[in-house]
Amino acid sequence: DIQMTQSPASLSASLGETVTIECLASEDIYSNLAWYQQKPGKSPQLLIYYANSLNDGVPSRFSGSGSGTQYSLKINSLQSEDVSIYFCQQNYDSPYTFGAGTKLELK
Amino acid sequence: EVQLVESGGGLVQPGRSMKLSCAASGFTFNNYDMAWVCQAPKKGLEWVATISYDGSSTYYRDSVKGRFTISRDNAKSTLYLQMDSLRSEDTATYYCARHGELGFDYWGQGVMVTVSS
Repeated sequence: DIQMTQSPASLSASLGETVTIECLASEDIYSNLAWYQQKPGKSPQLLIYYANSLNDGVPSRFSGSGSGTQYSLKINSLQSEDVSIYFCQQNYDSPYTFGAGTKLELK
Repeated sequence: EVQLVESGGGLVQPGRSMKLSCAASGFTFNNYDMAWVCQAPKKGLEWVATISYDGSSTYYRDSVKGRFTISRDNAKSTLYLQMDSLRSEDTATYYCARHGELGFDYWGQGVMVTVSS
């Protein structure tokens, strides 16, 4: 199974700040990496697919990068509505595994 | 507008069965693979199972193989998850999701399954 190691587990940042979340796959997943945002009490929503492609309707302050085994999600100019838990997920091979999540809070 | 609406959750005793349903609308259901993803209380996301667009192929995580069965009725645009021999560790919110090459691009609102005596 491909293991997804996500860091940090939690993050506190101020409005307007830039934050980065990392995700490390245990083997090459050839950019088959998705990022999801889960707001409190809601279902997850797809933010980014194929490591760096923004899903429809997602604000441009979100961006993804990476290749091979290392990937990251960057949020520029943090807004209050970005308070959420973020998950990475490899879509390369079954079982389709998720990272443990990063809880983003406002400082 | 794509909509996925789950139903069928609730409280069930260990060892018993439960069947979840997911009614899909707003897209051509029989063109897409579909999946179930679960989330235990205060925990992360876990993929459970995926079924191909035509139902010919199914994939499961190891912990549910032989106990859970994913199926679909394309005429009714409905996805199912038959859960047998339920265990306390199956307690979670179960989400129906469209599973494409991009990942899980649409999710339902989720249905809670509690396995307890």
